[in-house]
Amino acid sequence: SQQGEEDPQALSIQEGENATMNCSYKTSINNLQWYRQNSGRGLVHLILIRSNEREKHSGRLRVTLDTSKKSSSLLITASRAADTASYFCATTPPNNNDMRFGAGTRLTVKP
Amino acid sequence: GAGVSQTPSNKVTEKGKYVELRCDPISGHTALYWYRQSLGQGPEFLIYFQGTGAADDSGLPNDRFFAVRPEGSVSTLKIQRTERGDSAVYLCASSQVGPQFFGPGTRLTVL
Repeated sequence: SQQGEEDPQALSIQEGENATMNCSYKTSINNLQWYRQNSGRGLVHLILIRSNEREKHSGRLRVTLDTSKKSSSLLITASRAADTASYFCATTPPNNNDMRFGAGTRLTVKP
Repeated sequence: GAGVSQTPSNKVTEKGKYVELRCDPISGHTALYWYRQSLGQGPEFLIYFQGTGAADDSGLPNDRFFAVRPEGSVSTLKIQRTERGDSAVYLCASSQVGPQFFGPGTRLTVL
């Protein structure tokens, strides 16, 4: 079963704009991760945020985590056409290493 | 190796046949995971190995699915009496500490 739900399901923006994707989950977590998938294969790890962290940055990526609301957001600043992909959040529960993914947000960045 | 590899990249089989999908994890990674991804969905957890043993196989959909990792490195996912509903991309990932690194997947088509 899937744990997270991404919102929106699809997002279309112009190059240079910022893209924000949200993820909500249902149960307690040890950490939350964001992945990118370009062609229906090969997920690429973007960033991991632990349950005791509230914000992390990596290049043009900014991730926030609100455990009280069971939600996370991924912000991509100054988007590029190459950022076009599906983005998934995945949560890991406290007592094991199983990862549960949401259904993803399909981001399209128009040049 | 440099990354997680999976073979074959594509597999077409007939309903009722037996298939084996192989995963070579990153050298030294003790944890190995199998996921299944249907079109338009996020990866669905199947099974997780820590070393040679299956730490959690709760995601296997039924007893037609089985996975092994006899020497704690390469893993094989085995599907008996395949059904059309088994058609999906089967993803493998490995990790040591922290994020999981994914292979390119095997696209299984059951005719």
